[in-house]
Amino acid sequence: KNEVEQSPQNLTAQEGEFITINCSYSVGISALHWLQQHPGGGIVSLFMLSSGKKKHGRLIATINIQEKHSSLHITASHPRDSAVYICAVETSGSRLTFGEGTQLTVNP
Amino acid sequence: EAQVTQNPRYLITVTGKKLTVTCSQNMNHEYMSWYRQDPGLGLRQIYYSMNVEVTDKGDVPEGYKVSRKEKRNFPLILESPSPNQTSLYFCASGTRPGQGGGYTFGSGTRLTVV
Repeated sequence: KNEVEQSPQNLTAQEGEFITINCSYSVGISALHWLQQHPGGGIVSLFMLSSGKKKHGRLIATINIQEKHSSLHITASHPRDSAVYICAVETSGSRLTFGEGTQLTVNP
Repeated sequence: EAQVTQNPRYLITVTGKKLTVTCSQNMNHEYMSWYRQDPGLGLRQIYYSMNVEVTDKGDVPEGYKVSRKEKRNFPLILESPSPNQTSLYFCASGTRPGQGGGYTFGSGTRLTVV
């Protein structure tokens, strides 16, 4: 079993839909990161969380430390949101362990 | 512009021929790290550095070396590349982990070892 599990692996939505991507982990962490990887391969850091909730534009990330679970929400999805979304957990010693990613496709 | 610069973007080499992938950041970040990305395996950490002259192994360090002689540079060295090191490599930098910042990633280096 991977230390970081994401679901779903693939997600197709219609423009305007509310999207949720989930991340569960099995180890103690110091922080959790959400990353976005576009088709060209570039990776952008979206959020770093150690507790609670963060919001940036149409993106919202939450984390429940007790349940070892985080969610990334996208409101009013748009085709430009189509990308791979990756969850990564930071453990003591600053090591990062990644989920396998969620491929999101938003159709117009 | 704040950025992490990796070179080269693409590289094809032969087994056993030493190579270096360079990584440089202009944000005065203390933390730098290397990752490889493979289909079905996702991203995996190779090495990371908390500061100058401080480096530590990640999950897949075998076959790689790094050095951190200056704060801005963190080169990845493959002394004797093998075909199983064919991969997409990313360098990233950030403020010290736990201080609230995220990471800035380079554009990636696609390496093919034949």
